[in-house]
Amino acid sequence: DGGITQSPKYLFRKEGQNVTLSCEQNLNHDAMYWYRQDPGQGLRLIYYSQIVNDFQKGDIAEGYSVSREKKESFPLTVTSAQKNPTAFYLCASSVTAAGTGELFFGEGSRLTVL
Amino acid sequence: QQPVQSPQAVILREGEDAVINCSSSKALYSVHWYRQKHGEAPVFLMILLKGGEQKGHEKISASFNEKKQQSSLYLTASQLSYSGTYFCGTEYRGNTDKLIFGTGTRLQVFP
Repeated sequence: DGGITQSPKYLFRKEGQNVTLSCEQNLNHDAMYWYRQDPGQGLRLIYYSQIVNDFQKGDIAEGYSVSREKKESFPLTVTSAQKNPTAFYLCASSVTAAGTGELFFGEGSRLTVL
Repeated sequence: QQPVQSPQAVILREGEDAVINCSSSKALYSVHWYRQKHGEAPVFLMILLKGGEQKGHEKISASFNEKKQQSSLYLTASQLSYSGTYFCGTEYRGNTDKLIFGTGTRLQVFP
């Protein structure tokens, strides 16, 4: 079945450590997105990519980095520069980059910084 | 830049109706609606592209007033399965390569 796979589902890290969240899709979608979800704040856009080897900052990109070396993969690194990294992270994809179609979401990764 | 949703929370009995509003301070190209159940990924409900357009999904429908830069989601004869958090997502004119979500409306339906 086609879909988006995020891993790990739960992750704990110590302050000062970088951590990478994986996002893989087999839907052959061009566009991929990373959102952060905090209680009461909805989903906030971190980074997005419309095509391989290209990506753009979203509204809250500081302290995060991404890469898009393959169409199906869009990993997110939460760096030690992110002041409040504890959150639920959602990866999504859509068919087209020319205007956003329906977003398909992964099951999410919950990061807790100890 | 986030669209504003209201109300923040709604509590219903089965069979009752509800309206969730989404408004923007910027010109909109489209509005999306998603529902997220606790601990799960958001699920797409519908996209509205044209001013005044209405769409339906089961007993859930929505309208989009382009001039007023707002959309409303209508849930009629609510069912227990409608419980969850509803998000509107907006694409802005001239910047349609990303979706910006509102803060969400939590809906709880009781028997």
